[in-house]
Amino acid sequence: LAKTTQPISMDSYEGQEVNITCSHNNIATNDYITWYQQFPSQGPRFIIQGYKTKVTNEVASLFIPADRKSSTLSLPRVSLSDTAVYYCLVGDLDYGGSQGNLIFGKGTKLSVKP
Amino acid sequence: EAGVAQSPRYKIIEKRQSVAFWCNPISGHATLYWYQQILGQGPKLLIQFQNNGVVDDSQLPKDRFSAERLKGVDSTLKIQPAKLEDSAVYLCKLGYTFGSGTRLTVV
Repeated sequence: LAKTTQPISMDSYEGQEVNITCSHNNIATNDYITWYQQFPSQGPRFIIQGYKTKVTNEVASLFIPADRKSSTLSLPRVSLSDTAVYYCLVGDLDYGGSQGNLIFGKGTKLSVKP
Repeated sequence: EAGVAQSPRYKIIEKRQSVAFWCNPISGHATLYWYQQILGQGPKLLIQFQNNGVVDDSQLPKDRFSAERLKGVDSTLKIQPAKLEDSAVYLCKLGYTFGSGTRLTVV
């Protein structure tokens, strides 16, 4: 299972765009890249998943270069409620089509200030 | 998308006591996972079920932890006897959805 490296913490202000980059040099051909968000006292929440190029949903965008050795989660116009820990994970899909056997690091603690 | 209910929400026990956690899928998913999250760390996989069967329990401390999944739906995770270092949040996951977890404090 590929390991990931991401910054321990980041600070931002309300209304700014935040980009969190994750490196995964040993990503395998079958691996997908997934980002989760976690608030205190809650389980992680799925944000976005991609395999290559760019993926966008109503919450975030995920940019993946051609070599797939890194990825960038982009959060547009953050608010105070986006203060959380963000985890980058890589892994292949399980029988049910999601990722299960994931290795979580410590994540990136994003602090959004007014 | 799967929904996940976990109970109890909190539990405090003394070391060497036993404890059980429940995971009740609101909607079905073939694969169920239990994770342990110690304060300040990311979740760590304990066990993976596919339907009723165990797919991966390589990181489950089998001398004290046990888990089962009944009829491929509900699941329980048990610790007997508990140690101080078992204090953590125990999370159940189905599909892409984590439950809110059970926070265990061992004193």
